[in-house]
Amino acid sequence: DTGVSQDPRHKITKRGQNVTFRCDPISEHNRLYWYRQTLGQGPEFLTYFQNEAQLEKSRLLSDRFSAERPKGSFSTLEIQRTEQGDSAMYLCASSRSGTWNTGELFFGEGSRLTVL
Amino acid sequence: AQSVTQLDSQVPVFEEAPVELRCNYSSSVSVYLFWYVQYPNQGLQLLLKYLSGSTLVESINGFEAEFNKSQTSFHLRKPSVHISDTAEYFCAVTARLSGSARQLTFGSGTQLTVLP
Repeated sequence: DTGVSQDPRHKITKRGQNVTFRCDPISEHNRLYWYRQTLGQGPEFLTYFQNEAQLEKSRLLSDRFSAERPKGSFSTLEIQRTEQGDSAMYLCASSRSGTWNTGELFFGEGSRLTVL
Repeated sequence: AQSVTQLDSQVPVFEEAPVELRCNYSSSVSVYLFWYVQYPNQGLQLLLKYLSGSTLVESINGFEAEFNKSQTSFHLRKPSVHISDTAEYFCAVTARLSGSARQLTFGSGTQLTVLP
């Protein structure tokens, strides 16, 4: 399967714990995005990388959130000291860059976080 | 910045009936427009997109959407729906930028339920 893969698919944690999600993009895609989706809402942009550089971060991304993409391949999204409000589906997407990039994103199936 | 409004959160319709899912957007610059579909327990998938040229775009499974610049709309239609079309549909927009586009802004989604 050459699609975007995310791990774990489900994570249940207690408030105050740290969690980390991993995303493996489509191999030839140099752009990687993280979105968050809560119940009844559309995905909300969190951050994106071009290769290993984090080029943009949403104000939704508080200091407890950090994302990395070492070597421009897979990415991790870490949430420290989780709060109940962090419960959501965390989506990863990838795309190509370049003048012919039309903004079409390829999404993974998401990592669902439940904070108790 | 861009924004997307999907006026209907839920649309129930009987099988073989026509359906229209409404989408309006706001942007100070030219945009690309997308419809994504999310089937139960699956990731978001691109359904169709408007980039340029003909304002009427079609998907492989019979959906179509028409870009109306004066009304800033991109409504999704299908003349005859099937049970398998039951899913959540998201309208999305991204700004045309010099070079390449970046993040998508999504609407809150419309749950289409096709009834037998």
